[in-house]
Amino acid sequence: KAGVTQTPRYLIKTRGQQVTLSCSPISGHRSVSWYQQTPGQGLQFLFEYFSETQRNKGNFPGRFSGRQFSNSRSEMNVSTLELGDSALYLCASSGGLVGGTDTQYFGPGTRLTVL
Amino acid sequence: AQTVTQSQPEMSVQEAETVTLSCTYDTSESDYYLFWYKQPPSRQMILVIRQEAYKQQNATENRFSVNFQKAAKSFSLKISDSQLGDAAMYFCVNGGSQGNLIFGKGTKLSVKP
Repeated sequence: KAGVTQTPRYLIKTRGQQVTLSCSPISGHRSVSWYQQTPGQGLQFLFEYFSETQRNKGNFPGRFSGRQFSNSRSEMNVSTLELGDSALYLCASSGGLVGGTDTQYFGPGTRLTVL
Repeated sequence: AQTVTQSQPEMSVQEAETVTLSCTYDTSESDYYLFWYKQPPSRQMILVIRQEAYKQQNATENRFSVNFQKAAKSFSLKISDSQLGDAAMYFCVNGGSQGNLIFGKGTKLSVKP
């Protein structure tokens, strides 16, 4: 089975721009979660989508948004980029059992650099 | 609030030796899972092992095993017969009913040949 894929792998943007990251889950998985990883804050949960609905959300500003399509693929958007948004963005998929008890499988991440 | 604490930022082990990584957590939930993930320099997050909180038996996965002490909220990872490929950042993770994973800060493991 193919793993979780994320595109693009690397991005360089400037402050004020917006960016869209994409994630394709493992075939059959219906839940997609997004995490931000930075040296200072570590790994932080952004949001989770299940069956095209946001099921859970972390403590991030409204500039961070996402969506999920009928084929379970998910996109994450960040508007009005700030320097502090530079991070590795990880996507994880799971079968979709309620709660964090389901094992999540991670993609390779998208490295976003904001200049 | 759920928290996960890894008190060892860095550890080192000789190849073929055994090493134990420590983790404590705090949660108010009764139904939760615990995981260890590793992140090698490639940055790919890889599941190492998982433990269901309702199970008393400690999980094992080949050379990896855990010591789960529920009352003490402790969840350590033991790596036996360490290999060079085990060198990575190891994260202790708590998964609860809210659908998100809570990560510790990580322990960087070096393996010396």
